[in-house]
Amino acid sequence: GAVVSQHPSWVICKSGTSVKIECRSLDFQATTMFWYRQFPKQSLMLMATSNEGSKATYEQGVEKDKFLINHASLTLSTLTVTSAHPEDSSFYICSAGKRATGNQPQHFGDGTRLSIL
Amino acid sequence: DQQVKQNSPSLSVQEGRISILNCDYTNSMFDYFLWYKKYPAEGPTFLISISSIKDKNEDGRFTVFLNKSAKHLSLHIVPSQPGDSAVYFCAARWTGTASKLTFGTGTRLQVTL
Repeated sequence: GAVVSQHPSWVICKSGTSVKIECRSLDFQATTMFWYRQFPKQSLMLMATSNEGSKATYEQGVEKDKFLINHASLTLSTLTVTSAHPEDSSFYICSAGKRATGNQPQHFGDGTRLSIL
Repeated sequence: DQQVKQNSPSLSVQEGRISILNCDYTNSMFDYFLWYKKYPAEGPTFLISISSIKDKNEDGRFTVFLNKSAKHLSLHIVPSQPGDSAVYFCAARWTGTASKLTFGTGTRLQVTL
């Protein structure tokens, strides 16, 4: 069964709206979660690393004020796309590993398709 | 700079035959490699992985081969089944980046009857 749950799976909203996406680890504690973005027919691009109890680490070129990440508990990380515009439309996916270190695969949520009108 | 590359965007294989998906990387610091399978509008599902200290790992119908000198890995699926039709991503990481993954561009596999 799924070990990482992502909600909502699909969002359509007007330009200028802020949208929050939740990522939950279901049966384990995740001190670190990852947020990815995928454009059509392209690879998954890491946006940021979400660290429980501390600030997220953003990849180069990702606006931290645009994509707010909060990792308030060991099982929940949220990504808020602030003042979303059509160019923010994309598929957003989170992941978490059962262990922060070692050779453990990350488990991914089912993604959120965000469409900004 | 694409550090992990999958040069074949698509592959078509007949059911029962072998599917071979290839992946090349440029960063010699990578020490752990993974293959994920992805359906549209879903997150990737982990398939198989290999550490850089090995050159082969097998799990059922899936085998991953790693050639470190060539910075090349491949995923073999045999026999291929129609349910294997999906996009396959290879991913790489190195221990210095706390599980951060770098993904390839993906190969769409179509298994035909």
